[in-house]
Amino acid sequence: GQQVMQIPQYQHVQEGEDFTTYCNSSTTLSNIQWYKQRPGGHPVFLIQLVKSGEVKKQKRLTFQFGEAKKNSSLHITATQTTDVGTYFCAALSGGSYIPTFGRGTSLIVHP
Amino acid sequence: NAGVTQTPKFQVLKTGQSMTLQCAQDMNHEYMSWYRQDPGMGLRLIHYSVGAGITDQGEVPNGYNVSRSTTEDFPLRLLSAAPSQTSVYFCASSPERGLNQPQHFGDGTRLSIL
Repeated sequence: GQQVMQIPQYQHVQEGEDFTTYCNSSTTLSNIQWYKQRPGGHPVFLIQLVKSGEVKKQKRLTFQFGEAKKNSSLHITATQTTDVGTYFCAALSGGSYIPTFGRGTSLIVHP
Repeated sequence: NAGVTQTPKFQVLKTGQSMTLQCAQDMNHEYMSWYRQDPGMGLRLIHYSVGAGITDQGEVPNGYNVSRSTTEDFPLRLLSAAPSQTSVYFCASSPERGLNQPQHFGDGTRLSIL
């Protein structure tokens, strides 16, 4: 089945530093979604990207969809302790209607 | 609206026991799915349903059964629990199949098999 590779698996940052997680696919994606899971919690939808080269912002979070629609990134500017959690991408390649989740990137923010 | 409700929140079983994890949603969503989450493995799809009476296997279906007799409920059955099934189980729903709408997740069931 379709593989969605997410890197890195873990990221430790000092509070105030930036953070980026990447989601890569070998096939063209129809669209991509990003989710955040707080420790002990459940995944919560953040955003959906559909168009080639699309960039969306939510306060300190910036989401990008690659021009070839094979990769996506989530960037957090000036991390805060409230950003701690695991960030997942979910993708759907053309022809499949079953979402595939990346393995997630766990963000640890040191105060 | 309660959203997606999973019960129980925690469960400890002995090897060989069977049990049913309950999942109910009150949003009239057609698409429902079950995932298991293990450290470093992300969310792996067990079974899914695109509507009442229709179910299909996901990536890791062995050892699990599902049914979808109503739109609201999507129970997951462990037939004979094994230690390898120790995991956190999440139920999710969405208005339709695909990824055009957000997936809504329940709070999860933390299951330990001894």
